[in-house]
Amino acid sequence: EVQLVESGGGLVQPGGSLRLSCAASGFTFSDSYMDWVRQAPGKGLEWVGRIRNKANSHTTEYAASVKDRFTISRDDSKNSLFLQMNSLKTEDTAVYFCTRLGYCSGGTCKGLDYWGQGTLVTVSS
Amino acid sequence: DIQLTQSPSFLSASIGDRVTISCRASQGISSQGFSSYLVWYQQKPGEAPKLLIYDASTLQSGVPSRFSGSGSGTEFTLTISSLQPEDFATYYCQQLNSYPVTFGGGTKVEIK
Repeated sequence: EVQLVESGGGLVQPGGSLRLSCAASGFTFSDSYMDWVRQAPGKGLEWVGRIRNKANSHTTEYAASVKDRFTISRDDSKNSLFLQMNSLKTEDTAVYFCTRLGYCSGGTCKGLDYWGQGTLVTVSS
Repeated sequence: DIQLTQSPSFLSASIGDRVTISCRASQGISSQGFSSYLVWYQQKPGEAPKLLIYDASTLQSGVPSRFSGSGSGTEFTLTISSLQPEDFATYYCQQLNSYPVTFGGGTKVEIK
């Protein structure tokens, strides 16, 4: 059974930092692209960023709203995904979901096929 | 960036109704002649989203056949052929064709 379990959320002051973790199991984590998606209270879904697999040099992509403030990394030896969030703003308040990008190649792309339960980050003074 | 506009943003319907949700892209979503990288998700309150349809029209394994997707280019549609009680939720489209990945604003389906 595939499981994605986020942790590390909490209350942080504006300008502060927080590191989220996601523990993955039930699939070959090292082969997978992983995304972070967030959802502000009562709002829609917002893509945060992506980290590719080792075969693609663990390269990353980010949404403009978080670029240069957030960093996605991974530890394949521990089946773990991370989101380092710096210079946090009140508008970063959201539930953060760890997700897996399904098979994408040769004209097909399955989308985000597995999601964690999310972890709440609240940025407030 | 590719903007995705869903309509309606809110929909009130009855059990058994046929429901159609539109997702319009600000520019074409395609992959050099292959399927469109357009995905639909369902989200219920307090839960993570669930993948329903990918490549605009391919049903994810385990998703009931009353759900279907269609469209290409800039116009996409999610259809529920006969609305069931468990289908009351919010639906999102997403494009994976180019960065940044984007979502539509969502369509909330409520009971009439």
